[in-house]
Amino acid sequence: GQQLNQSPQSMFIQEGEDVSMNCTSSSIFNTWLWYKQDPGEGPVLLIALYKAGELTSNGRLTAQFGITRKDSFLNISASIPSDVGIYFCAGQATSGTYKYIFGTGTRLKVLA
Amino acid sequence: DAGVTQSPTHLIKTRGQQVTLRCSPKSGHDTVSWYQQALGQGPQFIFQYYEEEERQRGNFPDRFSGHQFPNYSSELNVNALLLGDSALYLCASSTPGGETQYFGPGTRLLVL
Repeated sequence: GQQLNQSPQSMFIQEGEDVSMNCTSSSIFNTWLWYKQDPGEGPVLLIALYKAGELTSNGRLTAQFGITRKDSFLNISASIPSDVGIYFCAGQATSGTYKYIFGTGTRLKVLA
Repeated sequence: DAGVTQSPTHLIKTRGQQVTLRCSPKSGHDTVSWYQQALGQGPQFIFQYYEEEERQRGNFPDRFSGHQFPNYSSELNVNALLLGDSALYLCASSTPGGETQYFGPGTRLLVL
């Protein structure tokens, strides 16, 4: 099935470090969502973006809607052990569609 | 305020059988989408229900069907199960505009 390109695929970081991940598409999107998923659980919504260039924060998390509308970025500052999990981006294309296309996921592992 | 709920949490079936999964949307939401998430992959859109009708469908065969009830809850039915149908099935609810989707915990289906 169709998936967005998400990078990096996985990363190990030291506790306290900042993390950056991104998601790219060949299509233009109207909306970008970022989710975190723990093993065996459903994805939990972190941040929603609705306009090109929009920068939104949720605590230590900051996400941006790329100006080309084909990409989005998520940053986590001062990582802590509970940040461990898989982060997914999801995009909703312009007009006439209701489905979200998900990225391949970034698996984050934090070393204490 | 109850979030999205799904039942059952786990299910084991054999090839050729049929299965029904259930979802209750978050309070105030009237739109339900279903996703299939294979191990190590991002969720794949199956279909979305709004006003008791299938509004959009992803690239899944007719063996996958659904229903939405007047109270906005929804069912996903899969007939003639294949081994490849083993996955986490996720339900997401949203308001009619559908920009922001909230997921339930999922139903883990194993087909033997």
